[in-house]
Amino acid sequence: QKEVEQNSGPLSVPEGAIASLNCTYSDRGSQSFFWYRQYSGKSPELIMFIYSNGDKEDGRFTAQLNKASQYVSLLIRDSQPSDSATYLCAVNGGKDSNYQLIWGAGTKLIIKP
Amino acid sequence: DTGVSQDPRHKITKRGQNVTFRCDPISEHNRLYWYRQTLGQGPEFLTYFQNEAQLEKSRLLSDRFSAERPKGSFSTLEIQRTEQGDSAMYLCASSLEAGLAYEQYFGPGTRLTVT
Repeated sequence: QKEVEQNSGPLSVPEGAIASLNCTYSDRGSQSFFWYRQYSGKSPELIMFIYSNGDKEDGRFTAQLNKASQYVSLLIRDSQPSDSATYLCAVNGGKDSNYQLIWGAGTKLIIKP
Repeated sequence: DTGVSQDPRHKITKRGQNVTFRCDPISEHNRLYWYRQTLGQGPEFLTYFQNEAQLEKSRLLSDRFSAERPKGSFSTLEIQRTEQGDSAMYLCASSLEAGLAYEQYFGPGTRLTVT
């Protein structure tokens, strides 16, 4: 059973600070990883995806991947109150899963003004 | 194209009634997914289509649930004899092709309440 684990939170971060969200996965063969943001009552919105070990930056967001340790993280710099949401980590299950995404339950992030 | 659309956005129904939801994917996307999500959980996979072919259904999906994508474009999800446990957000997503490099984009969802 392939699994994706996230701390449910809530994670509380002061405005302007760096928010760090973590995700671990069980399938060592996983090769692509996705972060989605979900506001309360809304659908998930894709923020970033990463395939290679290391960091990938997009504006205030940085995704970090460490395949050896089987974790992926999302850093949000200069956190804003509008970043308050649930962040979902998803892992592509690969060919034997027909490339379906395996989802974590999400981490609730609260940015305090 | 403005993205994935779903209709209706909200549905309230009485237990035992049938409901049908529609999803229109991004036009060039040939993969379409249905998920269900309840509070505090990640999306739960229900089924997916590649073009008009339904390739997989979740083992959790009872025979009260059926989905179609007749011409490889829009899809419908029908729930027969609804139960209170069916109350959830029903999400549709689409992607271009399949593989590690193809991300899924979600529609706004249909919120179902069974009374």
